[in-house]
Amino acid sequence: KNQVEQSPQSLIILEGKNCTLQCNYTVSPFSNLRWYKQDTGRGPVSLTIMTFSENTKSNGRYTATLDADTKQSSLHITASQLSDSASYICVVTSQNEKLTFGTGTRLTIIP
Amino acid sequence: DGGITQSPKYLFRKEGQNVTLSCEQNLNHDAMYWYRQDPGQGLRLIYYSQIVNDFQKGDIAEGYSVSREKKESFPLTVTSAQKNPTAFYLCASKVGGMSSYEQYFGPGTRLTVT
Repeated sequence: KNQVEQSPQSLIILEGKNCTLQCNYTVSPFSNLRWYKQDTGRGPVSLTIMTFSENTKSNGRYTATLDADTKQSSLHITASQLSDSASYICVVTSQNEKLTFGTGTRLTIIP
Repeated sequence: DGGITQSPKYLFRKEGQNVTLSCEQNLNHDAMYWYRQDPGQGLRLIYYSQIVNDFQKGDIAEGYSVSREKKESFPLTVTSAQKNPTAFYLCASKVGGMSSYEQYFGPGTRLTVT
């Protein structure tokens, strides 16, 4: 069964600090992996997309990594800001275009 | 929210009533999707449509119905047969191929049934 697991479920950090969110998946055959940011009560917004051959991709203060061998991805946030408070969702697409969503990590940045 | 509008933002209904959630997009995308989001769970696919006048059941279609009479509109009806309708509903559209698609989500509708 295709699954995407994210950890931690929730995380609280001080403004300005860095953090790393984890995503492990069992989706096969793999096509790509996306990280989304979802503000409370809003729809998700795409941050990065990574295919099999990519192992790092950055979008401003967000850096995603992918290890296709171990089926793990991480999202690193540098110099966190209050506006980073949101849920971060990992989504893996299989080669038949089926999307499997993780349950998300709820990140809270405190001043 | 990428040119996708959902209305209303909050919806309250009594148990036993059908309710229709609106989703409109001005992105000219062929594919549209409805997801349900519950606390502690990943998004689950209800229905999707790849083209006008055609739609397919997703993983949790029971108790829901859709129509796709126009490219820009994909309304979702939550029927009284849906056992646990209270949830956050997200509409999305998609463009592009398997490895390079972009999926845009609407702002969502929170449905509460009492």
